[in-house]
Amino acid sequence: DAGITQSPRHKVTETGTPVTLRCHQTENHRYMYWYRQDPGHGLRLIHYSYGVKDTDKGEVSDGYSVSRSKTEDFLLTLESATSSQTSVYFCAISRTATNEKLFFGSGTQLSVL
Amino acid sequence: TQLLEQSPQFLSIQEGENLTVYCNSSSVFSSLQWYRQEPGEGPVLLVTVVTGGEVKKLKRLTFQFGDARKDSSLHITAAQPGDTGLYLCAGAQAGTYKYIFGTGTRLKVLA
Repeated sequence: DAGITQSPRHKVTETGTPVTLRCHQTENHRYMYWYRQDPGHGLRLIHYSYGVKDTDKGEVSDGYSVSRSKTEDFLLTLESATSSQTSVYFCAISRTATNEKLFFGSGTQLSVL
Repeated sequence: TQLLEQSPQFLSIQEGENLTVYCNSSSVFSSLQWYRQEPGEGPVLLVTVVTGGEVKKLKRLTFQFGDARKDSSLHITAAQPGDTGLYLCAGAQAGTYKYIFGTGTRLKVLA
């Protein structure tokens, strides 16, 4: 199994609170992704990174920011959490950009009350 | 905007039956992938198809990529309870790093 660790695995927070989710990989893969998964929507891309300090927006980036200061870590921050951001968040990595397998972490269940 | 539509959304069948899941888009993809996801876990890759018209087989699973590289299908022969799970298609649009996922098909195979 690919070495991907998401933390925390579960979090409950209040509306308006900042939240940071961490994705740590030991595979030295260049590309990292943050997705959210909601019933009826499948997985939706929030942000992705194609290298250290190189990031770009996905389909549903509003209300989220990311940072990648080193290859192994990709952080997702909710600056001021809202109830609509209650979801399961998945981090994924890939070695190259296209036609390449995505390896996923086990997810973070976030509840915003 | 969701670029990949999967059908059906839900499927409940008896063990031994055959089924087909569809993944459709109006966009062209450089490749298309199928993943299976178990509860509480992240998706796991089953197959990647790259060439228009390509057919790949993985034991009882047959995957096909449309000639125009806009759609794909997954056919399962003689389904087993172990096939139960959420099936997701994902596509990478040419020239981008973005993997876009379909809405998913939740399959339940009854013993």
